[in-house]
Amino acid sequence: AQSVSQHNHHVILSEAASLELGCNYSYGGTVNLFWYVQYPGQHLQLLLKYFSGDPLVKGIKGFEAEFIKSKFSFNLRKPSVQWSDTAEYFCAVGFQKLVFGTGTRLLVSP
Amino acid sequence: SAVISQKPSRDICQRGTSLTIQCQVDSQVTMMFWYRQQPGQSLTLIATANQGSEATYESGFVIDKFPISRPNLTFSTLTVSNMSPEDSSIYLCSVEHRTTDTQYFGPGTRLTVL
Repeated sequence: AQSVSQHNHHVILSEAASLELGCNYSYGGTVNLFWYVQYPGQHLQLLLKYFSGDPLVKGIKGFEAEFIKSKFSFNLRKPSVQWSDTAEYFCAVGFQKLVFGTGTRLLVSP
Repeated sequence: SAVISQKPSRDICQRGTSLTIQCQVDSQVTMMFWYRQQPGQSLTLIATANQGSEATYESGFVIDKFPISRPNLTFSTLTVSNMSPEDSSIYLCSVEHRTTDTQYFGPGTRLTVL
């Protein structure tokens, strides 16, 4: 069965710091990869996705993620975080039946 | 994307009772799913809601406990039956258009079982 690991459960950053959240999955075949974000009091929203092609994908709000097939990884990055990026971030893998990681709570202090 | 609504948004229920959660989407979608997010944990897929036929359940979830209906392409219900405190979770529906291969999530229903 597929599994998804997010190694950082809680991350605290100051504004303007760079962000990288790790995501590793266990599945040898072709997969669709997603990052979702849940802002406080809001529902889960799609941040970005990768299906094929350029392994560096750009999403909303300045986020990007890089798919590294050899490492089974799909890490999320942002060069400079803002206070408004405070949220919980979920990595998900699959085709229709999504398997989610445990999530990373990001707190950005002003 | 799609606009998805769920009712109720939250509820507090007594042990042994059942609750039906509704999911409505503003456009016809190919796929509808139900997930559970237990406290402090990630999302787990309960089942795929199939229009006009029985839902497809994931390992660990059964129809008697989580009956699901999907009478048309825009509406689905999930019932949590004979509830116990362990059923306290957030229940989310998601939808997917076949052309996008991307799921969009509803706001969730926060269920507390006493």
